[in-house]
Amino acid sequence: DTGVSQDPRHKITKRGQNVTFRCDPISEHNRLYWYRQTLGQGPEFLTYFQNEAQLEKSRLLSDRFSAERPKGSFSTLEIQRTEQGDSAMYLCASLIGAGGLVETQYFGPGTRLLVL
Amino acid sequence: GDSVTQMEGPVTLSEEAFLTINCTYTATGYPSLFWYVQYPGEGLQLLLKATKADDKGSNKGFEATYRKETTSFHLEKGSVQVSDSAVYFCALGSGSARQLTFGSGTQLTVLP
Repeated sequence: DTGVSQDPRHKITKRGQNVTFRCDPISEHNRLYWYRQTLGQGPEFLTYFQNEAQLEKSRLLSDRFSAERPKGSFSTLEIQRTEQGDSAMYLCASLIGAGGLVETQYFGPGTRLLVL
Repeated sequence: GDSVTQMEGPVTLSEEAFLTINCTYTATGYPSLFWYVQYPGEGLQLLLKATKADDKGSNKGFEATYRKETTSFHLEKGSVQVSDSAVYFCALGSGSARQLTFGSGTQLTVLP
């Protein structure tokens, strides 16, 4: 068990460009979450997958954002036409669970995005 | 919607001092409550959790009790160490997805 990994760890892009981030959850974790964390704030929920199905999306997830988890393992988060306001740390978390109360989300190290 | 209000920082303490970081929440239903810690240069790690009223979570000398009557989950430690210097986040888990709603974090610095 190597934990949740994310790639890249850092990304600098110019406004208007598209970027894609990858998250590899802990193996056999069926739930995967994406969060966004801006400087000095706590993480904010973006979206959630159970296996390959995207079951919930926050209103923070504008139509420029899309997430996939095609085989129920790794996930990608794409941002199209990036804006300076997209600059943040993007966090991925996973857990194994079936809807109970005691599950713990395990977080990856995050991808820090800077839009110039 | 659900929300978490956390004591603002930064907090600076001397080693062996007593620590309290206040956390209150607003939620419908019966959320689970968590404290996560983020050490410099590292990712979020679960520190402790509680899933129902009056439960006490504890780990590494830290404790927090789920108080439904005051909607609080205050973090305490009797004697802090320099190695406890980090950012602490209070969070609640709710909804069908059990997604986490976080407070804004409290920066703790412990001086030797």
